[in-house]
Amino acid sequence: EAQVTQNPRYLITVTGKKLTVTCSQNMNHEYMSWYRQDPGLGLRQIYYSMNVEVTDKGDVPEGYKVSRKEKRNFPLILESPSPNQTSLYFCASSLLTVGRFSTDTQYFGPGTRLTVL
Amino acid sequence: AQKVTQAQTEISVVEKEDVTLDCVYETRDTTYYLFWYKQPPSGELVFLIRRNSFDEQNEISGRYSWNFQKSTSSFNFTITASQVVDSAVYFCALRGEWETSGSRLTFGEGTQLTVNP
Repeated sequence: EAQVTQNPRYLITVTGKKLTVTCSQNMNHEYMSWYRQDPGLGLRQIYYSMNVEVTDKGDVPEGYKVSRKEKRNFPLILESPSPNQTSLYFCASSLLTVGRFSTDTQYFGPGTRLTVL
Repeated sequence: AQKVTQAQTEISVVEKEDVTLDCVYETRDTTYYLFWYKQPPSGELVFLIRRNSFDEQNEISGRYSWNFQKSTSSFNFTITASQVVDSAVYFCALRGEWETSGSRLTFGEGTQLTVNP
């Protein structure tokens, strides 16, 4: 089954304790992205990657790191989490086609609900 | 800058009623792509439809239909004969041209639809 998986699905942690949220896709998609969802703000992009070893900042990258060492995986790293990073996080992936007939619909993982105390 | 506005924060209907969710977008791009996603209470984001800016044909899929009007920058979503299982938050999203926004999706704030039995 084609899917995007995230782990863990739920995480409660304390301020300053480094954590990693994993994301994996089995669709051979070049493009992967992380979003956070907060009430009243919709979804906002944190980081994205167009291929292995190619990553770039989205709208709200502060406090996050990412890496793309393999095509299928795109982990999100919080080196020193703070309470304002409490949120619902989504990983997404898509094909990467450029131009008028782009087919890059983004498919989302199930979400990771993170609470930072 | 790109913007998506979903003016209806919450809608409540009785089962079997028809309901329309509004989406208005802003972009300066000539080519762009519009999406609707559904977020049921379980939290995942489910892709519903994608529409390209150069294709103004409306679309119907079972009880779902979408009305794309470039003249009013709107991409409204109608559920006919609503069912309790339609209860969810619905997001409208926009992706602009690759040169200006890459594959970033700009989301509206979402509309919470509640269908009562």
